[in-house]
Amino acid sequence: SAVISQKPSRDICQRGTSLTIQCQVDSQVTMMFWYRQQPGQSLTLIATANQGSEATYESGFVIDKFPISRPNLTFSTLTVSNMSPEDSSIYLCSVEGGRVSGNEQFFGPGTRLTVL
Amino acid sequence: GQNIDQPTEMTATEGAIVQINCTYQTSGFNGLFWYQQHAGEAPTFLSYNVLDGLEEKGRFSSFLSRSKGYSYLLLKELQMKDSASYLCAVRDGYGQNFVFGPGTRLSVLP
Repeated sequence: SAVISQKPSRDICQRGTSLTIQCQVDSQVTMMFWYRQQPGQSLTLIATANQGSEATYESGFVIDKFPISRPNLTFSTLTVSNMSPEDSSIYLCSVEGGRVSGNEQFFGPGTRLTVL
Repeated sequence: GQNIDQPTEMTATEGAIVQINCTYQTSGFNGLFWYQQHAGEAPTFLSYNVLDGLEEKGRFSSFLSRSKGYSYLLLKELQMKDSASYLCAVRDGYGQNFVFGPGTRLSVLP
């Protein structure tokens, strides 16, 4: 199973600013996923990031608001741009490829974002 | 469209058995997953079903009926540490994306 780290673990930001979240994996993976989990809610997929190509965004999420970089097979960043209080959430990155099924996803510890 | 339903909350007693149900309607199907998420932590993988039937893994078992769009997670010999949210997720027909259900918050009481 992959070991995933995220930075920062939490942050408090002012409205209108931007925050870049980093995700580092200890092995090379083809796809990395970015999720948002709002308070008391389940996970919502923001986008899928493949190395060497543009990220694929889910309905309701756009590149201008959530630009993603994927410079190599072990690293990705998600930027939350021009933040508003509605962006307060936990942001998680994940990769797939467990031993049991080969398909399950492993999640990073998450970044808890509060926008004032 | 994609839709996954789970009960919002459940309560059970330590040592008992609890069954958490999940129904789904998705664009294709490439497997159903159950995750456990403790408050303030990331989800962790519990089980995987792609064929009909029961998968047993210690105190946890998961069942799938593809024709009914239905799964359940069975937790036996409940312990206090089992208090958590349990998320049902389906991998869609394209084989890439996971669709997560709303999660069931389980409280285990002494």
